[in-house]
Amino acid sequence: NAGVMQNPRHLVRRRGQEARLRCSPMKGHSHVYWYRQLPEEGLKFMVYLQKENIIDESGMPKERFSAEFPKEGPSILRIQQVVRGDSAAYFCASSPPWGNQVEQFFGPGTRLTVL
Amino acid sequence: ILNVEQSPQSLHVQEGDSTNFTCSFPSSNFYALHWYRWETAKSPEALFVMTLNGDEKKKGRISATLNTKEGYSYLYIKGSQPEDSATYLCASGSSNTGKLIFGQGTTLQVKP
Repeated sequence: NAGVMQNPRHLVRRRGQEARLRCSPMKGHSHVYWYRQLPEEGLKFMVYLQKENIIDESGMPKERFSAEFPKEGPSILRIQQVVRGDSAAYFCASSPPWGNQVEQFFGPGTRLTVL
Repeated sequence: ILNVEQSPQSLHVQEGDSTNFTCSFPSSNFYALHWYRWETAKSPEALFVMTLNGDEKKKGRISATLNTKEGYSYLYIKGSQPEDSATYLCASGSSNTGKLIFGQGTTLQVKP
C-alpha cells in the first residue's frame, strides 16, 4: 500500500507565477489535509477536504490560495501570483473516512522556493 | 494556554539515558492529542493518538500519558538509542473537523 504521495518534491517559481502542488492520499483515504511549514516555524494547518468538499479552510490565506479534492484524481493546492513569503514546505496528510480522531499519514512534502 | 506548547525545545542525551518531554494544550473543547515523530528528510510519522483523560499508550520503548483536565501530555523514551534522534511533535485535535494544531516540537539528539 503506497503511502501519501506528493509532487513535485521541489518547485521553483518566480514572483507572480502560479504554483500547483499535488497530493495523492493513501488508498482508501477520503480525507486530505494541507499543512505549511514556513522557515523556522512549525507545521500550520491550512485546509481540510473530503472528496469534492472543503470542510475547514480556516488556515488558508484569504487571497491567492485555493484547494480542491475532486472526485477523481489528486488533491491540488494552488497558489496564484506567488510572492517570496510563500516559500515554505507544504505537507499533505490523509486519513481514513471513519472519524476525526484517527492518525493522519503525511506525505514527503513539496518545498516551494519563490525567487 | 491558547496554543500547543512543547518543552524543552531541544535535548541532547547519551545512549541509554531515559528522557521525557512535555506538551501543553488548551483543555477546553479537547478532542484528541497526537504525537508524531519526524526524522530529518522524512515525513512525520504518527506515534500515538490519545483521546481519554488518563490514557497511557506504549509502543516499544516509547510511551505517552494524557491529562485532558489540566491540558498536558508527557512522552517518555526509555533507554534512548541513536535511532531515536528526531523531532517529536505533539498536536491537539481541538475541533471536530480533523484540524490539528501542532507545537513547535522537541528535537532529540542521542549520542552514541
